[in-house]
Amino acid sequence: EAGVTQFPSHSVIEKGQTVTLRCDPISGHDNLYWYRRVMGKEIKFLLHFVKESKQDESGMPNNRFLAERTGGTYSTLKVQPAELEDSGVYFCASSQLDGRSTDTQYFGPGTRLTVL
Amino acid sequence: DQQVKQNSPSLSVQEGRISILNCDYTNSMFDYFLWYKKYPAEGPTFLISISSIKDKNEDGRFTVFLNKSAKHLSLHIVPSQPGDSAVYFCAVYPYSGGYQKVTFGTGTKLQVIP
Repeated sequence: EAGVTQFPSHSVIEKGQTVTLRCDPISGHDNLYWYRRVMGKEIKFLLHFVKESKQDESGMPNNRFLAERTGGTYSTLKVQPAELEDSGVYFCASSQLDGRSTDTQYFGPGTRLTVL
Repeated sequence: DQQVKQNSPSLSVQEGRISILNCDYTNSMFDYFLWYKKYPAEGPTFLISISSIKDKNEDGRFTVFLNKSAKHLSLHIVPSQPGDSAVYFCAVYPYSGGYQKVTFGTGTKLQVIP
Protein backbone atom coordinates (compact mmCIF):
# COMPACT_ATOMS: atom_id res chain seq x y z
CA GLU A 1 0.00 0.00 0.00
CA ALA A 2 1.41 3.38 -1.02
CA GLY A 3 1.97 5.90 1.74
CA VAL A 4 1.23 9.60 1.78
CA THR A 5 3.09 11.35 -1.02
CA GLN A 6 3.92 15.02 -1.39
CA PHE A 7 5.13 17.05 -4.32
CA PRO A 8 7.50 18.76 -4.76
CA SER A 9 10.00 17.61 -2.16
CA HIS A 10 11.71 20.99 -2.24
CA SER A 11 10.70 24.37 -3.65
CA VAL A 12 12.76 27.56 -3.77
CA ILE A 13 10.90 30.71 -4.75
CA GLU A 14 11.31 34.43 -4.43
CA LYS A 15 9.25 36.60 -2.16
CA GLY A 16 6.03 37.59 -3.89
CA GLN A 17 5.80 34.49 -6.06
CA THR A 18 3.17 31.79 -5.86
CA VAL A 19 3.75 28.17 -4.91
CA THR A 20 1.38 25.22 -4.87
CA LEU A 21 2.08 22.15 -2.78
CA ARG A 22 0.36 18.87 -3.43
CA CYS A 23 -0.52 15.99 -1.15
CA ASP A 24 -1.83 12.56 -2.12
CA PRO A 25 -3.18 10.75 0.96
CA ILE A 26 -3.35 7.01 1.46
CA SER A 27 -6.15 5.62 -0.65
CA GLY A 28 -9.39 5.44 1.31
CA HIS A 29 -8.34 7.91 3.97
CA ASP A 30 -11.00 10.58 4.33
CA ASN A 31 -9.14 12.67 6.92
CA LEU A 32 -6.39 14.86 5.52
CA TYR A 33 -4.30 17.25 7.58
CA TRP A 34 -1.73 19.92 6.73
CA TYR A 35 1.03 20.89 9.15
CA ARG A 36 4.05 23.18 9.00
CA ARG A 37 7.37 23.13 10.78
CA VAL A 38 9.42 26.29 10.80
CA MET A 39 13.13 25.72 11.38
CA GLY A 40 13.75 24.06 14.74
CA LYS A 41 10.30 24.79 16.07
CA GLU A 42 7.22 22.67 16.71
CA ILE A 43 5.12 21.07 13.99
CA LYS A 44 2.03 23.24 13.79
CA PHE A 45 -1.45 22.23 12.69
CA LEU A 46 -2.75 24.23 9.72
CA LEU A 47 -6.02 22.63 8.72
CA HIS A 48 -8.07 19.47 8.44
CA PHE A 49 -10.27 18.10 5.66
CA VAL A 50 -12.88 15.38 5.90
CA LYS A 51 -13.28 14.27 2.33
CA GLU A 52 -13.64 17.52 0.39
CA SER A 53 -14.89 19.62 3.32
CA LYS A 54 -12.72 21.82 5.51
CA GLN A 55 -13.48 20.87 9.11
CA ASP A 56 -10.97 23.04 10.89
CA GLU A 57 -8.74 25.70 9.36
CA SER A 58 -7.94 27.48 12.59
CA GLY A 59 -4.21 27.02 12.08
CA MET A 60 -3.96 28.74 8.72
CA PRO A 61 -1.64 31.74 9.20
CA ASN A 62 -3.48 34.24 7.00
CA ASN A 63 -5.44 34.63 3.78
CA ARG A 64 -2.34 34.17 1.64
CA PHE A 65 -2.79 30.45 2.22
CA LEU A 66 -5.49 28.54 0.36
CA ALA A 67 -6.09 24.80 0.72
CA GLU A 68 -8.36 22.74 -1.47
CA ARG A 69 -9.33 19.12 -1.76
CA THR A 70 -11.51 18.79 -4.79
CA GLY A 71 -13.23 15.44 -5.08
CA GLY A 72 -12.00 14.38 -1.67
CA THR A 73 -8.80 12.81 -2.95
CA TYR A 74 -5.58 14.80 -3.26
CA SER A 75 -5.15 18.22 -1.70
CA THR A 76 -3.28 21.35 -2.68
CA LEU A 77 -1.96 24.16 -0.52
CA LYS A 78 -1.30 27.40 -2.36
CA VAL A 79 0.70 30.27 -0.95
CA GLN A 80 0.14 33.54 -2.80
CA PRO A 81 2.09 35.79 -2.52
CA ALA A 82 4.84 34.03 -0.58
CA GLU A 83 6.66 35.87 2.21
CA LEU A 84 10.00 35.09 3.86
CA GLU A 85 8.31 33.80 7.03
CA ASP A 86 6.48 31.14 5.01
CA SER A 87 9.71 29.16 4.71
CA GLY A 88 9.57 25.79 6.42
CA VAL A 89 8.62 22.17 5.90
CA TYR A 90 4.99 21.51 5.05
CA PHE A 91 3.72 18.09 6.05
CA CYS A 92 0.56 16.37 4.99
CA ALA A 93 -0.99 13.51 6.96
CA SER A 94 -3.99 11.29 6.44
CA SER A 95 -6.07 8.92 8.54
CA GLN A 96 -9.15 6.79 8.21
CA LEU A 97 -12.53 8.13 9.17
CA ASP A 98 -13.75 5.50 11.61
CA GLY A 99 -15.10 7.88 14.20
CA ARG A 100 -12.41 6.87 16.66
CA SER A 101 -10.14 9.47 18.10
CA THR A 102 -7.28 7.00 18.16
CA ASP A 103 -6.89 6.56 14.41
CA THR A 104 -3.24 6.94 13.51
CA GLN A 105 -2.16 9.80 11.29
CA TYR A 106 0.28 8.81 8.56
CA PHE A 107 2.61 11.55 7.45
CA GLY A 108 4.13 12.28 4.09
CA PRO A 109 7.83 13.17 3.72
CA GLY A 110 7.08 16.88 3.57
CA THR A 111 7.78 19.71 1.14
CA ARG A 112 10.62 22.02 2.10
CA LEU A 113 9.69 25.54 1.04
CA THR A 114 12.38 28.20 0.90
CA VAL A 115 11.33 31.78 0.20
CA LEU A 116 14.20 34.10 -0.75
CA ASP B 1 2.09 30.30 23.72
CA GLN B 2 3.53 26.81 23.53
CA GLN B 3 1.22 24.18 24.96
CA VAL B 4 3.67 21.30 24.61
CA LYS B 5 7.28 21.69 25.67
CA GLN B 6 10.26 19.47 25.11
CA ASN B 7 12.98 21.26 27.00
CA SER B 8 15.86 19.07 25.87
CA PRO B 9 16.68 19.76 22.21
CA SER B 10 19.15 16.87 22.13
CA LEU B 11 20.17 13.76 24.03
CA SER B 12 23.09 11.35 23.60
CA VAL B 13 22.94 7.83 24.98
CA GLN B 14 25.25 4.84 24.76
CA GLU B 15 23.93 1.80 22.90
CA GLY B 16 22.27 -0.64 25.27
CA ARG B 17 21.47 1.97 27.89
CA ILE B 18 18.12 3.60 28.62
CA SER B 19 16.97 6.71 26.74
CA ILE B 20 14.49 8.94 28.56
CA LEU B 21 12.76 11.69 26.64
CA ASN B 22 10.57 14.18 28.47
CA CYS B 23 7.63 16.36 27.59
CA ASP B 24 5.49 18.82 29.56
CA TYR B 25 2.08 20.12 28.56
CA THR B 26 -0.03 22.94 29.91
CA ASN B 27 -3.65 22.06 29.11
CA SER B 28 -5.33 19.49 31.35
CA MET B 29 -8.05 19.00 28.69
CA PHE B 30 -5.82 16.87 26.50
CA ASP B 31 -7.00 13.24 26.31
CA TYR B 32 -4.44 11.49 24.17
CA PHE B 33 -0.68 11.65 24.22
CA LEU B 34 1.63 10.34 21.54
CA TRP B 35 5.22 10.06 20.53
CA TYR B 36 6.32 10.36 16.94
CA LYS B 37 9.73 9.52 15.57
CA LYS B 38 11.25 11.37 12.63
CA TYR B 39 14.25 10.52 10.49
CA PRO B 40 15.87 13.17 8.26
CA ALA B 41 13.99 13.88 5.01
CA GLU B 42 11.04 11.78 6.17
CA GLY B 43 7.74 12.61 7.80
CA PRO B 44 7.02 11.79 11.44
CA THR B 45 6.06 8.17 12.15
CA PHE B 46 3.73 7.21 14.96
CA LEU B 47 5.55 5.34 17.71
CA ILE B 48 3.37 4.87 20.78
CA SER B 49 0.42 6.51 22.50
CA ILE B 50 -1.39 6.63 25.82
CA SER B 51 -4.81 7.86 26.82
CA SER B 52 -5.46 10.04 29.84
CA ILE B 53 -7.09 7.17 31.73
CA LYS B 54 -3.79 5.28 31.89
CA ASP B 55 -0.41 6.06 33.37
CA LYS B 56 1.74 3.60 31.45
CA ASN B 57 1.78 1.90 28.08
CA GLU B 58 4.40 -0.51 26.79
CA ASP B 59 5.25 -1.67 23.30
CA GLY B 60 8.40 -3.73 23.10
CA ARG B 61 11.39 -1.58 23.95
CA PHE B 62 9.25 1.55 24.20
CA THR B 63 7.28 2.62 27.28
CA VAL B 64 5.35 5.84 27.69
CA PHE B 65 4.56 7.18 31.15
CA LEU B 66 1.92 9.79 31.89
CA ASN B 67 1.80 11.85 35.09
CA LYS B 68 -1.41 13.85 34.81
CA SER B 69 -1.00 15.75 38.05
CA ALA B 70 2.40 17.02 36.89
CA LYS B 71 1.25 17.34 33.25
CA HIS B 72 4.31 15.36 32.27
CA LEU B 73 4.89 12.68 29.67
CA SER B 74 8.01 10.61 29.16
CA LEU B 75 9.24 8.01 26.70
CA HIS B 76 11.65 5.30 27.81
CA ILE B 77 13.61 3.28 25.27
CA VAL B 78 15.33 0.20 26.67
CA PRO B 79 17.74 -0.93 25.41
CA SER B 80 18.64 1.91 23.07
CA GLN B 81 19.89 0.96 19.61
CA PRO B 82 21.73 3.01 16.97
CA GLY B 83 18.65 2.80 14.73
CA ASP B 84 16.73 4.72 17.37
CA SER B 85 18.74 7.83 16.50
CA ALA B 86 16.10 10.29 15.28
CA VAL B 87 14.09 13.31 16.36
CA TYR B 88 11.28 12.43 18.76
CA PHE B 89 8.18 14.60 18.95
CA CYS B 90 5.77 14.58 21.82
CA ALA B 91 2.20 15.25 20.66
CA VAL B 92 -1.17 15.71 22.34
CA TYR B 93 -4.80 16.14 21.37
CA PRO B 94 -8.22 16.41 22.99
CA TYR B 95 -11.01 13.97 22.29
CA SER B 96 -13.08 15.40 19.45
CA GLY B 97 -15.16 12.56 18.13
CA GLY B 98 -13.13 11.18 15.30
CA TYR B 99 -10.46 13.60 14.30
CA GLN B 100 -7.24 14.67 15.93
CA LYS B 101 -6.14 18.28 16.12
CA VAL B 102 -2.65 17.41 17.22
CA THR B 103 -0.34 19.80 19.02
CA PHE B 104 3.33 18.91 18.77
CA GLY B 105 6.38 19.77 20.82
CA THR B 106 9.60 21.10 19.31
CA GLY B 107 11.30 17.70 19.28
CA THR B 108 14.30 16.09 20.95
CA LYS B 109 17.12 14.79 18.79
CA LEU B 110 18.30 11.45 20.16
CA GLN B 111 21.70 10.11 19.25
CA VAL B 112 22.50 6.54 20.25
CA ILE B 113 26.23 5.99 20.22
CA PRO B 114 27.42 2.50 19.22
